[in-house]
Amino acid sequence: EPEVTQTPSHQVTQMGQEVILRCVPISNHLYFYWYRQILGQKVEFLVSFYNNEISEKSEIFDDQFSVERPDGSNFTLKIRSTKLEDSAMYFCASSSGANVLTFGAGSRLTVL
Amino acid sequence: QQQVKQSPQSLIVQKGGIPIINCAYENTAFDYFPWYQQFPGKGPALLIAIRPDVSEKKEGRFTISFNKSAKQFSLHIMDSQPGDSATYFCAASPSGGYNKLIFGAGTRLAVHP
Repeated sequence: EPEVTQTPSHQVTQMGQEVILRCVPISNHLYFYWYRQILGQKVEFLVSFYNNEISEKSEIFDDQFSVERPDGSNFTLKIRSTKLEDSAMYFCASSSGANVLTFGAGSRLTVL
Repeated sequence: QQQVKQSPQSLIVQKGGIPIINCAYENTAFDYFPWYQQFPGKGPALLIAIRPDVSEKKEGRFTISFNKSAKQFSLHIMDSQPGDSATYFCAASPSGGYNKLIFGAGTRLAVHP
């Protein structure tokens, strides 16, 4: 069964450092998303990406965040200058457009 | 307006019981209501979903009941098993747009043998 692959599975970084989280969506999907889940809390929408541009973003997705699809397969989330409150599990998801989102296993980010 | 409220926060049932998880929304622009199941250390996985044109949908042991006028929907798990122990999230997606999901807060279900 096709799956969304995320790397790294866990990253520890110092506050103020830049972090890039990587995702390989399902190959024929057109819509890409990043969500985050702070430990024990709900899954929160960050950003959606379609046709090589951001289609929607939440209030959480401020200027410190950016997304990119650098080639035909990868989809990345960059956090420019990490803060303690960025510590969370970050999930990438992709969709063919029929409402069904397939999530990756997540990248746990720990900011010290 | 964009929120989805989910209850209870946690639930414990015995094997064979029927846990029921409830969600409510306010935004009438929502037109797709999935339930996701999440095991520890894993991403959410789609379990079952419903659109507002039907009042009930069943897939195996999982049933969604949908009440459009009350803006509520619920998940029932028939003959629950210990393997069903997980966190369940309801979600809603607005019509049009790019399939963004708004998640509820989650319900941690424990099914005891």
